[in-house]
Amino acid sequence: AQTVTQSQPEMSVQEAETVTLSCTYDTSENNYYLFWYKQPPSRQMILVIRQEAYKQQNATENRFSVNFQKAAKSFSLKISDSQLGDTAMYFCAFMKLNKFYFGSGTKLNVKP
Amino acid sequence: EAQVTQNPRYLITVTGKKLTVTCSQNMNHEYMSWYRQDPGLGLRQIYYSMNVEVTDKGDVPEGYKVSRKEKRNFPLILESPSPNQTSLYFCASSLILPRGRTEAFFGQGTRLTVV
Repeated sequence: AQTVTQSQPEMSVQEAETVTLSCTYDTSENNYYLFWYKQPPSRQMILVIRQEAYKQQNATENRFSVNFQKAAKSFSLKISDSQLGDTAMYFCAFMKLNKFYFGSGTKLNVKP
Repeated sequence: EAQVTQNPRYLITVTGKKLTVTCSQNMNHEYMSWYRQDPGLGLRQIYYSMNVEVTDKGDVPEGYKVSRKEKRNFPLILESPSPNQTSLYFCASSLILPRGRTEAFFGQGTRLTVV
């Protein structure tokens, strides 16, 4: 079975600084997908970034980038130039054959 | 606009009173699923459907039913809700695209409270 671990229940960062959220996963699969989702107080699940496991290049989306280490089964999210609107719960997720496996989440608080 | 629509967004009900949460998608996705979100546990899959009339249990199916009579709709049914089903529920639909890409969409969430 696949498992996803987010070891940081809560983190804080000053506005404009950089923060990294950790995620590790356990799988015996070779082809899969990895995601980071943002959940603001509205509870909506917002896709932040996506990585296909067969791609060696790390995905980037504006201020968001990942460090994907397939051998180490690690998938961390880096947020650069943090903004107040980044305050939210962040979930790391593994997907195989359309099924998601989620971590327990990291609550990020961006301080002014 | 591609979207997954859940209704209702909020629901408070009493123990034992049957309820249905609806889910509809407009992307012609074959795969749909339901998840529940609980503090410290992330989201866990309840049921999924790979196509019309094809459904199967996820990781936490007890106390739930689903049906898939049409491709676009995938309702979640609680025949006799209990307080331990108080949770935040998400419907999702997804598709594996050519060249290894995927697209996945989540509904807005349904906050259910069973008293």
